[in-house]
Amino acid sequence: EAGVTQFPSHSVIEKGQTVTLRCDPISGHDNLYWYRRVMGKEIKFLLHFVKESKQDESGMPNNRFLAERTGGTYSTLKVQPAELEDSGVYFCASSPQGYLLSSGELFFGEGSRLTVL
Amino acid sequence: TQLLEQSPQFLSIQEGENLTVYCNSSSVFSSLQWYRQEPGEGPVLLVTVVTGGEVKKLKRLTFQFGDARKDSSLHITAAQPGDTGLYLCAGALAPGGYQKVTFGTGTKLQVIP
Repeated sequence: EAGVTQFPSHSVIEKGQTVTLRCDPISGHDNLYWYRRVMGKEIKFLLHFVKESKQDESGMPNNRFLAERTGGTYSTLKVQPAELEDSGVYFCASSPQGYLLSSGELFFGEGSRLTVL
Repeated sequence: TQLLEQSPQFLSIQEGENLTVYCNSSSVFSSLQWYRQEPGEGPVLLVTVVTGGEVKKLKRLTFQFGDARKDSSLHITAAQPGDTGLYLCAGALAPGGYQKVTFGTGTKLQVIP
């Protein structure tokens, strides 16, 4: 079974440009999460999808960030326009419906490293 | 915002030594997880503890959840170079009928052969 996959693994862009990160969760996982680690800081929650609906987007930094999950399958996270402070590693995680409540386990992708110059 | 503080932040020890990592919060969690992350990879779950006072063992790793479900510890016996990595605790709350996971600040462990 394929794990959570993220693309690209590393993106280097100039300030003001746009970047779109993609996450393919484990097949059948209704819950999809985006997290971010900025240099030297802890992993912070960005948002949570249940299928195609946004359950919680309280962690989104500002309106330059837009997350979508078309058809409840893969998700994209767009940063437009990117700023220097957006640099970091963006992690996607998924879990089956109800599974998180019992085990607390999130299945993580390898992350997408974003560098804004 | 629930903050999970881990200590120490960095730990460098010799192979064969024992160590303990602590995870503390002022919040009560419904469950607490420990993850390990290696460079270039995402965090991988080691264990979940749910009941206050619970102790779980995973080979040389012993995890304990505090009685009040606000803190946890990870003890490694006879550390091996393969234990090197970033150890993260994560607390799960259940607001509005679903669990929201908050991560700790992390402990970077280096085990020297």
